[in-house]
Order: sequence, then C-alpha cells, then structure tokens
Amino acid sequence: GIQVEQSPPDLILQEGANSTLRCNFSDSVNNLQWFHQNPWGQLINLFYIPSGTKQNGRLSATTVATERYSLLYISSSQTTDSGVYFCAVGPYTGGFKTIFGAGTRLFVKA
Amino acid sequence: DTGVSQNPRHKITKRGQNVTFRCDPISEHNRLYWYRQTLGQGPEFLTYFQNEAQLEKSRLLSDRFSAERPKGSFSTLEIQRTEQGDSAMYLCASSLDDIGLQSGANVLTFGAGSRLTVL
Repeated sequence: GIQVEQSPPDLILQEGANSTLRCNFSDSVNNLQWFHQNPWGQLINLFYIPSGTKQNGRLSATTVATERYSLLYISSSQTTDSGVYFCAVGPYTGGFKTIFGAGTRLFVKA
Repeated sequence: DTGVSQNPRHKITKRGQNVTFRCDPISEHNRLYWYRQTLGQGPEFLTYFQNEAQLEKSRLLSDRFSAERPKGSFSTLEIQRTEQGDSAMYLCASSLDDIGLQSGANVLTFGAGSRLTVL
C-alpha cells in the first residue's frame, strides 16, 4: 500500500521561529490533508490540499502532486502550535481510504 | 451541528471482555471512518462506510473486531475477547461526499476518541 513519510519526526522551536514540515508519499493521491493533534488528542483539519498552495493565517501548505510531496509552513510560531502534525493521503486506487503518516512532534518554547 | 460524537470517552476492561464504542457523525456526512491510534503513532486505518455499506476493512481488523453502521447514521465498533494489545485510542471521523465542492474532496472531521485500556 501507499507509504507516507513525514519529516522531521521531532522539532523544537523558540517562539517566533519559522518551520517547514515535509510529507512524502509513494503513490499518486486523490486527496491530501494536514491535521494538528493538540495535547488533549483532538485532531483538527488544517488544510485539504491535493495540489497547489493554500494559506490560513500563519500557516500555509503546498502540495506538488507530480513530485509526491507536500510542505506545511508555520511562521512566527506560538506555544499553542505545539502538538503533532499529521499528513494524511487518499490513494487514487484506494477509494476514499485515508492513510496517515507517523507525524511531526512540535514543541514551541516560550 | 455538534460535530462528531464518540462514546464512551474512556473504557477500562479486563482481558477477555467485550467492549462496544459508538460514533455519531455529523448528520449530513455520508462517510464514516474508524481509526486506532497508539501512543506515539499516527492513526491507523481500520475501516470505512459509505452510507450503510462497509467498503473497506484493514487487515488490522481481526475477526474479533466488527463495525456496523445501520441505516447509514451512527456506527458501532465492537471488540470481542479483548486483549492487552487492543489498548489504544479509537477514533471516528466523518466526511461528506460533496462532488459539487471539489471532485474527490473528502475532508475528515474527527471526534475526540474513545480510549480503551485492557487490564
């Protein structure tokens, strides 16, 4: 089945710093989403981005489907950005099954 | 719209007992997913429904696991003869098949999860 690899696995930032999280996937996809899991375990959808670029406040995401990767940018990080960021993809051959990567654990220090 | 609701939020059981989790999706959503998440890992796909039809099951879903979605509304996930390895967070998500929104759009909305501890 499709493989989803996220990097880096762990990231520690000083408040105010910028960061880039990467998601590589091994096969063509018909959808790609980024999620944030807060310290209480709730998964929140950040972006639905099978291709192109989107921005929402301090967050933006870019997916280059032909090269099978997506990037999540966090600018001017805040302590509330801490948590785990997951990339999830839906393979073209997989109906509407959605597969998650292992995540990037982010800790933002005050 | 109250979001995706899961019950119970926490369940502690002894090995060998049966447990059942319930998920109430967002009312207009026609797809419903179950995932399992263990500490430090990403959510693992278990199964999904489109309306009342169960369209795919992961090989992770052993014979002890069964999921239903009668009438295409709420769903239940039952685990029979629980084992300590079943201890995990069980997550439910729903989505809307809205071809008018974007072809293939399948934005998942997750519930808060049901945490299972098997002693």
